[in-house]
Amino acid sequence: SQKIEQNSEALNIQEGKTATLTCNYTNYSPAYLQWYRQDPGRGPVFLLLIRENEKEKRKERLKVTFDTTLKQSLFHITASQPADSATYLCVLNTDKLIFGTGTRLQVFP
Amino acid sequence: GAVVSQHPSWVICKSGTSVKIECRSLDFQATTMFWYRQFPKQSLMLMATSNEGSKATYEQGVEKDKFLINHASLTLSTLTVTSAHPEDSSFYICSASYQGADYGYTFGSGTRLTVV
Repeated sequence: SQKIEQNSEALNIQEGKTATLTCNYTNYSPAYLQWYRQDPGRGPVFLLLIRENEKEKRKERLKVTFDTTLKQSLFHITASQPADSATYLCVLNTDKLIFGTGTRLQVFP
Repeated sequence: GAVVSQHPSWVICKSGTSVKIECRSLDFQATTMFWYRQFPKQSLMLMATSNEGSKATYEQGVEKDKFLINHASLTLSTLTVTSAHPEDSSFYICSASYQGADYGYTFGSGTRLTVV
């Protein structure tokens, strides 16, 4: 079955730096991959979607890459801010959504 | 933008009672809605797919008689946890797609269920 691996340890970075989160998956590459943000006690919020034929996608301070050879997606937040502190979920689209456990990002001043 | 409203945000109930959770698409019609469950520090797990006007499709291992889903209109899906037990305590989240799966999904704010 398809599995997703995200760094389960929290990522702590200083404000203004670039945060890079990693998502690795097994088996076949999905048609597209999504990233969501989830705050404690809240539902996920959609951030970006990248298709298998796209290498990179950007939205404001966010950038996502998708390497189907490595079976990996990287999620970058540039000029990070304390308000970016949250858990970020990598999600694969197959016949249904498959969620990673998420990586908790903590941006400190 | 598309908004999915979920109520209640939290509920405490006694073992053996039933609890209903509502999920509404506020500014769009959703023929399909999805119900997830999330345990602490775990990923969201799909429980069932709710289809307007027809029976829900349940994932393997999810008891359909325990988790009753009704999608009677294009803007409302409900999940009823029947005869709740402490092990049903979890965070329940619904979602729908506004423009199609290619554009991401909109999630409700979730319902924290505690069964005592």
